[in-house]
Amino acid sequence: QQQVKQSPQSLIVQKGGISIINCAYENTAFDYFPWYQQFPGKGPALLIAIRPDVSEKKEGRFTISFNKSAKQFSLHIMDSQPGDSATYFCAASYYSGGYQKVTFGIGTKLQVIP
Amino acid sequence: SQTIHQWPATLVQPVGSPLSLECTVEGTSNPNLYWYRQAAGRGLQLLFYSVGIGQISSEVPQNLSASRPQDRQFILSSKKLLLSDSGFYLCAWGKEWTGGTGELFFGEGSRLTVL
Repeated sequence: QQQVKQSPQSLIVQKGGISIINCAYENTAFDYFPWYQQFPGKGPALLIAIRPDVSEKKEGRFTISFNKSAKQFSLHIMDSQPGDSATYFCAASYYSGGYQKVTFGIGTKLQVIP
Repeated sequence: SQTIHQWPATLVQPVGSPLSLECTVEGTSNPNLYWYRQAAGRGLQLLFYSVGIGQISSEVPQNLSASRPQDRQFILSSKKLLLSDSGFYLCAWGKEWTGGTGELFFGEGSRLTVL
């Protein structure tokens, strides 16, 4: 019930195209859904996040779409650039016992080709 | 501003040798601290978390242990490394519940290769 399923595991997109990564969850206790971006040899960093009371959040070229009834959420990267090439992790979390329980997806390696 | 430091960045160790990875956080007090391991194709696996000094919880049984001797220091250890301990280890911190975002802040990671 703690699992977060992420697809695809790898993605190749041409420069200027749209990158789409999908995630699904089971546990309805999750109340925070972040996306992390990780460059090779670095730690992940928060990219964008959403709470389940909204269906969409946009920050620049990055948009999260959230479907609470389907328990699915996705990341859209518009006008993808070579600098967006990285691994993206979706996650779902909630607070319990004084700490944040975070479950990560398996990650999607995105390559944007010129 | 808050910063997180993790070291060493890379290390190569023989099977059976001990391990010590260290993580320190600056600019915040009483953070929640986490150790994750990242293996190819397996995402981020939570190993340990701590909500305070001396308070350690383990998520999975393994060959590793963790300690929190000071408020902003978190140490990952092993007495005898196994080949399967190879991976990219990430320390992270998060805030206590504030009704806020619940974001985790990660260090730069430590790449461990066990030969």
